[in-house]
Amino acid sequence: RKEVEQDPGPFNVPEGATVAFNCTYSNSASQSFFWYRQDCRKEPKLLMSVYSSGNEDGRFTAQLNRASQYISLLIRDSKLSDSATYLCVVNAGANNLFFGTGTRLTVIP
Amino acid sequence: EPEVTQTPSHQVTQMGQEVILRCVPISNHLYFYWYRQILGQKVEFLVSFYNNEISEKSEIFDDQFSVERPDGSNFTLKIRSTKLEDSAMYFCASTSTGGTPEQYFGPGTRLTVT
Repeated sequence: RKEVEQDPGPFNVPEGATVAFNCTYSNSASQSFFWYRQDCRKEPKLLMSVYSSGNEDGRFTAQLNRASQYISLLIRDSKLSDSATYLCVVNAGANNLFFGTGTRLTVIP
Repeated sequence: EPEVTQTPSHQVTQMGQEVILRCVPISNHLYFYWYRQILGQKVEFLVSFYNNEISEKSEIFDDQFSVERPDGSNFTLKIRSTKLEDSAMYFCASTSTGGTPEQYFGPGTRLTVT
């Protein structure tokens, strides 16, 4: 059983489009949730934490549904620079993180 | 902006050799982590380290692996006798507090075992 599951994509969208990624996690005791972005052969970079009330940072909106163990990321007005792999990340234990395999996004001019 | 640094960026070694991967966490951070990512696969947790001892480790982190904070700035991962399957990107991360706040990752060391 995978701890964090994501649709691997790829998602190919035109500039300006809105795109949504989903993620499910298996451990109901998880308390911390994040979206990271990873460019090819680079390190994961924190995009945003995900809170129960949902949170927004500019064009990015994250939602958490604890009952369904489901996390989402919405990107509005996609830019070429948004092309990357988006990693759903959930805490597992006190000090470590479980990563999903990532969803690859390509924004097309 | 402070950042985590790692050296070398790429390490090639022969099977059976020992390697040491080095990391300099962000200076006021107290919790340190190693992760690895095999090409095309997900990022996997190896070990967390706090107050000069291992806090948690995964099944991957067997007796071939060890970590050390030899001085006030460096955090190292040693693989005693490398195997082909150890070829991966190794990422160091750090946080200022425990309880899984946001972790900040270094650029990684690509380890190639031949």
